[in-house]
Amino acid sequence: GESVGLHLPTLSVQEGDNSIINCAYSNSASDYFIWYKQESGKGPQFIIDIRSNMDKRQGQRVTVSLNKTVKHLSLQIAATQPGDSAVYFCAEKWSTDKLIFGTGTRLQVFP
Amino acid sequence: GAVVSQHPSWVICKSGTSVKIECRSLDFQATTMFWYRQFPKQSLMLMATSNEGSKATYEQGVEKDKFLINHASLTLSTLTVTSAHPEDSSFYICSARGDSRQTQYFGPGTRLLVL
Repeated sequence: GESVGLHLPTLSVQEGDNSIINCAYSNSASDYFIWYKQESGKGPQFIIDIRSNMDKRQGQRVTVSLNKTVKHLSLQIAATQPGDSAVYFCAEKWSTDKLIFGTGTRLQVFP
Repeated sequence: GAVVSQHPSWVICKSGTSVKIECRSLDFQATTMFWYRQFPKQSLMLMATSNEGSKATYEQGVEKDKFLINHASLTLSTLTVTSAHPEDSSFYICSARGDSRQTQYFGPGTRLLVL
C-alpha cells in the first residue's frame, strides 16, 4: 500500500476553468474511496467520499466519479480558484480499516 | 466538526533524545487513530493503527520499540520517537476515525528535525 513518487504529476489550469484529477486504484474489492487535499506543510483535508455502490457524488464545487469496471476514480473541481492549488490524493479502503493512498497529483491554478 | 489537532507542530531535537507527539480528536470520540509518515513530495505511509485501550498494530518494517504508540483515551493518541536519529526526520501526521465514520480525519502534522 505504500506509494512512492519523487515527481508528482502536475495539472495546470487557468482560474475559472474546471479541473479533473484522475486516480487509478488498485483493488477491485475496495468499497470506499476518499479524495483529500493537502496544502504545503499541512495535513490532508477531507474533500469528498464515495461508496462503491455509487457512480457519482456531488459536493460543493466538487464531483467524485467512480468507474469500477476500470478501477478509476476522478475528482472534478468546478470554476477552479487559486485557493484550490494543492496536492490531491485519492485513497481506497477495503476489508481493513486502512486507507491506501495514491501517489498524488499537484494542481496549479494560474490567474 | 471532525477536527483533529497535533502537538507540537514542529520540533527540533538532538540525536539520541526521545520526542513525543500528541494527536487529539477535538469534537468526536476516535475509536481508531492512525499514524503516518510523509517524506517530501511523496504520499503518506501508514506506520501503525491504534485502537483505544489496546496495543497498536504496526505496518511491516516499522519498529515497534522505536515508535511507541499509546492510545489511552478516545480522544488522545501519542507517538513517541525513541532515541531519534537524523533519518527519523520527517513529517508525521495522525488521523482519527470514530465509530460511525468510515472517513479518517487528519491532524495538521508535526515536522520533526533531528540534528
